[in-house]
Amino acid sequence: GESVGLHLPTLSVQEGDNSIINCAYSNSASDYFIWYKQESGKGPQFIIDIRSNMDKRQGQRVTVLLNKTVKHLSLQIAATQPGDSAVYFCAESRPPYGQNFVFGPGTRLSVLP
Amino acid sequence: DAGITQSPRHKVTETGTPVTLRCHQTENHRYMYWYRQDPGHGLRLIHYSYGVKDTDKGEVSDGYSVSRSKTEDFLLTLESATSSQTSVYFCAISEAGLAGVYEQYFGPGTRLTVT
Repeated sequence: GESVGLHLPTLSVQEGDNSIINCAYSNSASDYFIWYKQESGKGPQFIIDIRSNMDKRQGQRVTVLLNKTVKHLSLQIAATQPGDSAVYFCAESRPPYGQNFVFGPGTRLSVLP
Repeated sequence: DAGITQSPRHKVTETGTPVTLRCHQTENHRYMYWYRQDPGHGLRLIHYSYGVKDTDKGEVSDGYSVSRSKTEDFLLTLESATSSQTSVYFCAISEAGLAGVYEQYFGPGTRLTVT
């Protein structure tokens, strides 16, 4: 499959443990953030999003936390499963909104049996 | 999954030939985007569209042109392909409402190799 990054940071977690993947952003005017999962050979898959007027949002087994003070975003995956192994990256919507999504480099999550 | 298809999924072409990639959506979303993804660079925006016949350049637009004659189709053309345009190309769509833009979804990608 396609390589999404030659030297991505890697997070290795034991199956069943919780995973936390972090992302820093730089533009204080960014108002919307998305987490994506990308498996080898596939397009990025939307996981969860959050707007800047929130600091936490939960989905099924996933939680996104937004700290605007330090411009930090995190994705928490509960009870990590082998199928969660993939590259995860964040995207921020900067002005002009709708025209300017900026993507982080990604983190490779490896789930150990 | 969002209804986004890309064609072709794989293409090998020679330097100097024109190439057109197609993105088709069934979601009736206003915004459409073309990105390229390369190792060490992540996703970079080539062009985007905010409506039929409304397009604008992204970060890496040199050597590419786009057209959008219908809401559902967004075409990316490499007028004269070069080896530096070997990449994986992704189409994405999103919509906007009162709260702003949201939910950008991606297609499956097209792997283009220019020899």
